[in-house]
Amino acid sequence: EAQVTQNPRYLITVTGKKLTVTCSQNMNHEYMSWYRQDPGLGLRQIYYSMNVEVTDKGDVPEGYKVSRKEKRNFPLILESPSPNQTSLYFCASSSGTSGNYEQFFGPGTRLTVL
Amino acid sequence: DAKTTQPTSMDCAEGRAANLPCNHSTISGNEYVYWYRQIHSQGPQYIIHGLKNNETNEMASLIITEDRKSSTLILPHATLRDTAVYYCIVRVATSNTGKLIFGQGTTLQVKP
Repeated sequence: EAQVTQNPRYLITVTGKKLTVTCSQNMNHEYMSWYRQDPGLGLRQIYYSMNVEVTDKGDVPEGYKVSRKEKRNFPLILESPSPNQTSLYFCASSSGTSGNYEQFFGPGTRLTVL
Repeated sequence: DAKTTQPTSMDCAEGRAANLPCNHSTISGNEYVYWYRQIHSQGPQYIIHGLKNNETNEMASLIITEDRKSSTLILPHATLRDTAVYYCIVRVATSNTGKLIFGQGTTLQVKP
């Protein structure tokens, strides 16, 4: 089944403790992206990747890092999480290098930073 | 990307057609209309997209007016599982970032 998976689905952590949210897709998509969703603010793009080893900042990249060492994986790294990064996170992927086709979203990761 | 305007909420009876409108009066000639939906904090789901011709797939139909300033998403036989927030998004096909800008959307409540 074609899908985007994220792990973990739920995470409660404390300020400053490094964490990684994994994202993996099995559709051989070039394009991948991370969003965060907050009440009243909609979905905002954090980082995106056009292809392996090509990443770029979205609208809200501060406090996040990403890497794209292989096509299927696009982990989101929070080196020193803070409470304002408490949010619902979604990974997305799409064929084509610009995400211009149908985008497939993962199930989401609900992160709470205390 | 052009701004879109959607009603905040709508109700629909189960089994009836749900018609969700979207205004995009400032749409440019190279911008597409995309529809996504999000079911209660799940990941958004692509529904359909189009440029100027009407489109239909297994989920829905998209009707775009001739002047392209508005469109309507039609769910032909709504079910309870179609209860969700529906987002109308207008953007160019050759976006540099691939970013989708989700506005407030329309909350569709399908009632028995």
